[in-house]
Amino acid sequence: SQTIHQWPATLVQPVGSPLSLECTVEGTSNPNLYWYRQAAGRGLQLLFYSVGIGQISSEVPQNLSASRPQDRQFILSSKKLLLSDSGFYLCAWNAKGGYQPQHFGDGTRLSIL
Amino acid sequence: AQSVTQLDSHVSVSEGTPVLLRCNYSSSYSPSLFWYVQHPNKGLQLLLKYTSAATLVKGINGFEAEFKKSETSFHLTKPSAHMSDAAEYFCVVSRNGGATNKLIFGTGTLLAVQP
Repeated sequence: SQTIHQWPATLVQPVGSPLSLECTVEGTSNPNLYWYRQAAGRGLQLLFYSVGIGQISSEVPQNLSASRPQDRQFILSSKKLLLSDSGFYLCAWNAKGGYQPQHFGDGTRLSIL
Repeated sequence: AQSVTQLDSHVSVSEGTPVLLRCNYSSSYSPSLFWYVQHPNKGLQLLLKYTSAATLVKGINGFEAEFKKSETSFHLTKPSAHMSDAAEYFCVVSRNGGATNKLIFGTGTLLAVQP
């Protein structure tokens, strides 16, 4: 069966520090991968998605970037964190073709001080 | 353009009573619709999906939803609430098919279950 892993589960970072969140998927190949942010009391906002290695699409302009160095690895990064980057970050994957549901990791709670 | 509206931000029920979480959608074509559940500090778990097959969709944990095109609704129901059902529920519509199947999320309904 397929599984998705995100780490770390929680992270506290000072303003201006770099960020790297990692997501890996097991048990499938060539998945679509997604990064979302969920602000407190709000819905999910799609940040980035990827249909293949090295292919990244950004949904909203922001202080963050994403990379997909391997088929089942998706990384969310920032060179300098802002206070507004605080939130709950979720990685998701789905299979290609048709209206496949997305499957989510357990998320990373990021607090910026 | 596709969108979803969850009509209640908070719903409170007693344990053992029915649950109804309401969702209306807007779509320019036949949509794919999903319900997800999120427990505190956890990711989203798929409850059920509608993809133009049977209009009554059964999901996990005793939940089901009925697609009603005439009412543009996809309400989530459960006959008898359990304490473990307390969580936030999201109604979701697929923005498009093809390679990526991007999703549009409702703002969520927080379900409280009273003993």
